[in-house]
Amino acid sequence: NAGVMQNPRHLVRRRGQEARLRCSPMKGHSHVYWYRQLPEEGLKFMVYLQKENIIDESGMPKERFSAEFPKEGPSILRIQQVVRGDSAAYFCASSLLDVLNTGELFFGEGSRLTVL
Amino acid sequence: SQQGEEDPQALSIQEGENATMNCSYKTSINNLQWYRQNSGRGLVHLILIRSNEREKHSGRLRVTLDTSKKSSSLLITASRAADTASYFCATGPDGGATNKLIFGTGTLLAVQP
Repeated sequence: NAGVMQNPRHLVRRRGQEARLRCSPMKGHSHVYWYRQLPEEGLKFMVYLQKENIIDESGMPKERFSAEFPKEGPSILRIQQVVRGDSAAYFCASSLLDVLNTGELFFGEGSRLTVL
Repeated sequence: SQQGEEDPQALSIQEGENATMNCSYKTSINNLQWYRQNSGRGLVHLILIRSNEREKHSGRLRVTLDTSKKSSSLLITASRAADTASYFCATGPDGGATNKLIFGTGTLLAVQP
């Protein structure tokens, strides 16, 4: 049973380009979370999705950022017109139960975005 | 502001010693979880303690929770060099609008061989 798969592991973009990060949750998991981590800092919540629904996007900037988790295929975090401040590690996590029902999160290895 | 804040920010000990990390949080919680992160890797779940529990053990790990003080501690006994990592606490909601884990700032543990 494969774990949470994220790709790409490393991504380099120039200012103004788009970054697209993918996450395949663990088999059977329908809850997906995206977090951002800056160097030497903790994880900041961005968005929580279930299949075809955004449940909580309170941590995601209103502009340039979007996320989806379609019925088929991976969850996608999309950053348009990237700026240097977007450089960070983006982690995806999935869970079998939602956090309210004490769901443990399983994390991917992260996608490290560098904006030149 | 951070829901969880770990203390100390960094800790350096010798192999065989015990390591204690503390976490404080601000709001009511349903559960509190501890995660470990090796450098450049994703987080790995260590242990979960519910709000109605006071102490929990898992191997060399011991977690306590004091909801009156809104604090938790993680104790790693007989530490090994392989325990070198960052450790994060994360709090789960109390049934309100939030439905996500909020992570603290982390404690960087270095175990010297």
